[in-house]
Amino acid sequence: EAGVTQFPSHSVIEKGQTVTLRCDPISGHDNLYWYRRVMGKEIKFLLHFVKESKQDESGMPNNRFLAERTGGTYSTLKVQPAELEDSGVYFCASSWGQGNIQYFGAGTRLSVL
Amino acid sequence: GENVEQHPSTLSVQEGDSAVIKCTYSDSASNYFPWYKQELGKRPQLIIDIRSNVGEKKDQRIAVTLNKTAKHFSLHITETQPEDSAVYFCAARDLSGAGSYQLTFGKGTKLSVIP
Repeated sequence: EAGVTQFPSHSVIEKGQTVTLRCDPISGHDNLYWYRRVMGKEIKFLLHFVKESKQDESGMPNNRFLAERTGGTYSTLKVQPAELEDSGVYFCASSWGQGNIQYFGAGTRLSVL
Repeated sequence: GENVEQHPSTLSVQEGDSAVIKCTYSDSASNYFPWYKQELGKRPQLIIDIRSNVGEKKDQRIAVTLNKTAKHFSLHITETQPEDSAVYFCAARDLSGAGSYQLTFGKGTKLSVIP
């Protein structure tokens, strides 16, 4: 069974540019989560989709971040414009049902220079 | 909101020794506590979890204990092997449906098993 896949694995951009991260959840998983780990700190929640709807976006840091999940399958997370403090590893996770195990992708390492 | 503290941040043990990682949480509503292992360059993988109606759970060399009163839980790895070397994350979550289903993580523990 294919796991959660994330693209790209690594992205290096300059401050002010735009970057779009993609997450493909495990097939059939209706719940999708985005998390971020900044500079060796804890992995922090960003937002949660149930199918195509945003269930909880309380962790989104500001309006430079936009997440979408059109059609309830894959999701994208766009950062526009990127700032230095956005650097970190962005993880996606998916689950079948809200209370079940969250399976993580390998993450996208974003470096903003 | 929930806050999870994890200690130690780094841990080195000799192969064959035991390793213990401790976490505390702040929100008494949390009732689900998973542990994830992340090897270098790979995805975080669930290795064991425990719910608040259970005090201890074991899976081969790995065990987790939970003290609800003190709001702390621990991961125990016995007979450590070099392949146990990784970063371990504890997390807490409320499964009641009253709040968010997000996981709140500790900062991670880098475990090194020395052959």
